[in-house]
Amino acid sequence: NAGVTQTPKFRVLKTGQSMTLLCAQDMNHEYMYWYRQDPGMGLRLIHYSVGEGTTAKGEVPDGYNVSRLKKQNFLLGLESAAPSQTSVYFCAGGDQDTDTQYFGPGTRLTVL
Amino acid sequence: GENVEQHPSTLSVQEGDSAVIKCTYSDSASNYFPWYKQELGKRPQLIIDIRSNVGEKKDQRIAVTLNKTAKHFSLHITETQPEDSAVYFCAAGGREDNNNDMRFGAGTRLTVKP
Repeated sequence: NAGVTQTPKFRVLKTGQSMTLLCAQDMNHEYMYWYRQDPGMGLRLIHYSVGEGTTAKGEVPDGYNVSRLKKQNFLLGLESAAPSQTSVYFCAGGDQDTDTQYFGPGTRLTVL
Repeated sequence: GENVEQHPSTLSVQEGDSAVIKCTYSDSASNYFPWYKQELGKRPQLIIDIRSNVGEKKDQRIAVTLNKTAKHFSLHITETQPEDSAVYFCAAGGREDNNNDMRFGAGTRLTVKP
């Protein structure tokens, strides 16, 4: 199994541009999460999903949208990128029974 | 909501010494407390976790203790080795009524000097 994968690995955007980050998993995780990681601030939850077709806001949802049309995919969208969204984005998959979250390799996003 | 504080932010130890990282949490309903290790440029990886019905858990050189009354938990690494150098994150969550929303500490950068 590939586990949790993310595309792209790196991306540079200009302010105002839009983009979508893709998270895919083949572990049959029911739950999926999007985090951002900034220096000195740990991991902060953006949005999450507890199942296909469901999404919910996390700690820092503003400026982002998500969709979970298929169980194995969780998309994170930036409609109008801002420099404050420069960060490393991690996706994770998990299950209700175990609570454990398994992270993808991350996407480094720079907004100029 | 849950708030997790982690100390220290940096920790330097000599190889072979022990390292202790401490976290406090605010939500008494949290019942799951994992620890993640993140090497430079890599993803966070789970190294050990503990649930609220257990006070201590050990896995070789790594142990975690939990004090639910005081709402704090700690990671203990014994006989540290240079490959233990990384950033360590604690987290608290597992509440069934909030879909396992997990909150992370800010991280501790551990350096093990040979």
